[in-house]
Amino acid sequence: GDSVTQMEGPVTLSEEACLTINCTYTATGYPSLFWYVQYPGEGLQLLLKATKADDKGSNKGFEATYRKETTSFHLEKGSVQVSDSAVYFCALERENSGYSTLTFGKGTMLLVSP
Amino acid sequence: EAQVTQNPRYLITVTGKKLTVTCSQNMNHEYMSWYRQDPGLGLRQIYYSMNVEVTDKGDVPEGYKVSRKEKRNFPLILESPSPNQTSLYFCASRRTGEGYTFGSGTRLTVV
Repeated sequence: GDSVTQMEGPVTLSEEACLTINCTYTATGYPSLFWYVQYPGEGLQLLLKATKADDKGSNKGFEATYRKETTSFHLEKGSVQVSDSAVYFCALERENSGYSTLTFGKGTMLLVSP
Repeated sequence: EAQVTQNPRYLITVTGKKLTVTCSQNMNHEYMSWYRQDPGLGLRQIYYSMNVEVTDKGDVPEGYKVSRKEKRNFPLILESPSPNQTSLYFCASRRTGEGYTFGSGTRLTVV
């Protein structure tokens, strides 16, 4: 079945440092890939998405590129802020005739200090 | 504002006492689903619904029921809650081709 593997956290960075959170997936076919972010005490919010190979999703300074050859979708940001502290989830979506299922990684906590 | 609304946000109950967690979306989405989030396990799908009166099991459906009598509402029902259902629950909806919109979550404790 489908699976998503993320690097374990927490990832601890100082403000303005570079961020990379690794995500790899196992799936047949051509799933869509997503990054969701969960701030403390809140639900998940869609951060960015990519629906086909070589697509780059971007939002709020975060980027991720759909790499089919390496089955990866790593999340990157050039300069993190304290407000980026949250849990980040990589996910893949399989859709078929209206049926959709999201498979999530276990999440990576990011802690950014001033 | 486009949103998914869950209630209650927090709930403590006793083993065996039936409860319902409500979920409502105002985006006219056809697809809705329920997830539970547990430490070290991430999010797992409980049930989903492709449209009104169409529901199906996800990865962890045991002990749960759902109904979809109208498009906007998708309640999660625990007929006889047990301590292993203590978890953080999320309702979500989506339109085809778009990402999911999640509710703020319901933290359930079963004692």
